[in-house]
Amino acid sequence: NAGVMQNPRHLVRRRGQEARLRCSPMKGHSHVYWYRQLPEEGLKFMVYLQKENIIDESGMPKERFSAEFPKEGPSILRIQQVVRGDSAAYFCASSPESGLWNTDTQYFGPGTRLTVL
Amino acid sequence: QKEVEQNSGPLSVPEGAIASLNCTYSDRGSQSFFWYRQYSGKSPELIMFIYSNGDKEDGRFTAQLNKASQYVSLLIRDSQPSDSATYLCAVIRGTGNQFYFGTGTSLTVIP
Repeated sequence: NAGVMQNPRHLVRRRGQEARLRCSPMKGHSHVYWYRQLPEEGLKFMVYLQKENIIDESGMPKERFSAEFPKEGPSILRIQQVVRGDSAAYFCASSPESGLWNTDTQYFGPGTRLTVL
Repeated sequence: QKEVEQNSGPLSVPEGAIASLNCTYSDRGSQSFFWYRQYSGKSPELIMFIYSNGDKEDGRFTAQLNKASQYVSLLIRDSQPSDSATYLCAVIRGTGNQFYFGTGTSLTVIP
């Protein structure tokens, strides 16, 4: 039973390029969450999605960042025109559809380490 | 004031001792509390969760929740060198659906 999958595991981009991070939730999970972790800092919530819906994007920067979770395929976190400050580890987590979103445990993927040169 | 606060450590304990990790949270309406372990360069992995006041035990781990004082703690009995990691406390507030994470406590178990 595969866990949460993320790819790529490492991504290097130059300033101004686009970064696309992908996340496939655990089998049977329909809730996806994206987090960013900077060195010496905690995990910061970015966005919470269900299939074809953004439920909560209050943690997303207003510009350059977007996320989607289409009906088919993985969830995508997209960062346009990357800057050095975007360098971080980006983690995806998923939880099952129990109807109790506020108590569901989140299971984390291995993360994507983004480096912006 | 941060949503979730943890002592960053580092906390060092000898092998076989009890490690005590603490976490406080600001939203009195918070209802769900989680402890994750994160090894360096790896993703967080769930240790346990607790919803009700009191203690919850799972093997060598015990989570303690005191909603009146707004703190949650994690005790690790018979600490092993393999327990050396950063421990993250996470809280779901009474409103909204976000996990709020503390910055983590670094634990080193000395053989």
